[in-house]
Amino acid sequence: DAGITQSPRYKITETGRQVTLMCHQTWSHSYMFWYRQDLGHGLRLIYYSAAADITDKGEVPDGYVVSRSKTENFPLTLESATRSQTSVYFCASSERQYEQYFGPGTRLTVT
Amino acid sequence: KNQVEQSPQSLIILEGKNCTLQCNYTVSPFSNLRWYKQDTGRGPVSLTIMTFSENTKSNGRYTATLDADTKQSSLHITASQLSDSASYICVVSGNYGQNFVFGPGTRLSVLP
Repeated sequence: DAGITQSPRYKITETGRQVTLMCHQTWSHSYMFWYRQDLGHGLRLIYYSAAADITDKGEVPDGYVVSRSKTENFPLTLESATRSQTSVYFCASSERQYEQYFGPGTRLTVT
Repeated sequence: KNQVEQSPQSLIILEGKNCTLQCNYTVSPFSNLRWYKQDTGRGPVSLTIMTFSENTKSNGRYTATLDADTKQSSLHITASQLSDSASYICVVSGNYGQNFVFGPGTRLSVLP
C-alpha cells in the first residue's frame, strides 16, 4: 500500500525552465492538494482539487498550473520557474475535507 | 485576516518531561482544528482533529484541547520521548473545511 507518493524527491532547475512535480495516491481520495513550505512560513495552499477535472486556487497560485485528469494523479507545473519558487512542495489527499494525508515532499531549487 | 499563531517557536526539553504547545487562531467561521507532527524531511502526519463541539481529544501521549470561545488550542505531550523531536503544526479550517490555515509550527527537541 504505497499511499501517497511524490516525484521527484529532489529537483534542481534553472530560472525560466518549466518543471512538473508529480503526485500519486492509491486511496482514490476525492480531494488532493498542493502546498509549499518555506522557512518562516507555515504550509501555504497553492491549488486544490475536489475531484477529477475540478481544480481551484489556493492562497498562492501565481506561477503554477495544475490538472487532474485522473483521480489518483495531481501534477503541479511551474511554467517558468523563478528563484522565489525554491521551496519544499507537499502534496496531500483527503477523502473527507478535513483529514489530509501528506506525501514525503519534493525539495525544489531554482538557480 | 485569518491567522494561526503558535508558541513557543521552539522548545527544548529533557526526555521523560511533559510539555505544552499553544495555538491561537482568528479563523472564522471555524470548522475544525488539527494538530500535525512533522519529522524532519517528512510530510506532516495528523495527530488529532477537533470540531467545534469537542474540547479534548487524546492520541496516546498526545492530548489536544480546544477552547472555541477564546480561539485557543493546546497540545500536551506526556512523558516525552526522543522520537517526539519534530515540528508540531496547528491547522485551522474555516468555511466548511475548505479554507486551511496553517500555523508556522513549534520545533520541539527532546534531549536524552
